[in-house]
Amino acid sequence: LAKTTQPISMDSYEGQEVNITCSHNNIATNDYITWYQQFPSQGPRFIIQGYKTKVTNEVASLFIPADRKSSTLSLPRVSLSDTAVYYCLVGVKGSGNTGKLIFGQGTTLQVKP
Amino acid sequence: DTEVTQTPKHLVMGMTNKKSLKCEQHMGHRAMYWYKQKAKKPPELMFVYSYEKLSINESVPSRFSPECPNSSLLNLHLHALQPEDSALYLCASSPGTGGHYEQYFGPGTRLTVT
Repeated sequence: LAKTTQPISMDSYEGQEVNITCSHNNIATNDYITWYQQFPSQGPRFIIQGYKTKVTNEVASLFIPADRKSSTLSLPRVSLSDTAVYYCLVGVKGSGNTGKLIFGQGTTLQVKP
Repeated sequence: DTEVTQTPKHLVMGMTNKKSLKCEQHMGHRAMYWYKQKAKKPPELMFVYSYEKLSINESVPSRFSPECPNSSLLNLHLHALQPEDSALYLCASSPGTGGHYEQYFGPGTRLTVT
């Protein structure tokens, strides 16, 4: 069964860089990797998206190796307000080159002062 | 306006009730989604509408009935639900379907079935 796996939880301190990795062995050929942030009792919010290599925006970077079987979300200098659950969303292989979109199990990031 | 709105925020219903969840977006998006999210679990896709037509039904029980009256609105009709259907129901929209589109999520409706 195709799975998208992430660490269940991570702890960090304010000002540190945090890297969260998602494994997606069965990623579909044409599908992108997207990361979302979710606070309690809110809907997920888009952070960053990429297809291969490295993508950077004003809040995060996303590193994707050549085989695309994993991806790493990098949050520079986290603050207390970054305490949240982080999900990767990936299309996993079915028939064709685009896949069924499946969220990873989510990584709960706790940022401490 | 980059907002997806959902009503109601909270809903408590009995197993014999009929109720509806509503979702609205005014971003001109042509894809809309319903997800179910249980506590401490990721969202699970239920339905996808593309250009107002149902394109994906993830084997959802018939007690959940989606409807897309127009390109801005998405409803989820509920009937004869079970207590295990209690969850956060999330609506999302995107410019099109496919994994390369960012999905915009609403705040969700917290449903409790008694």
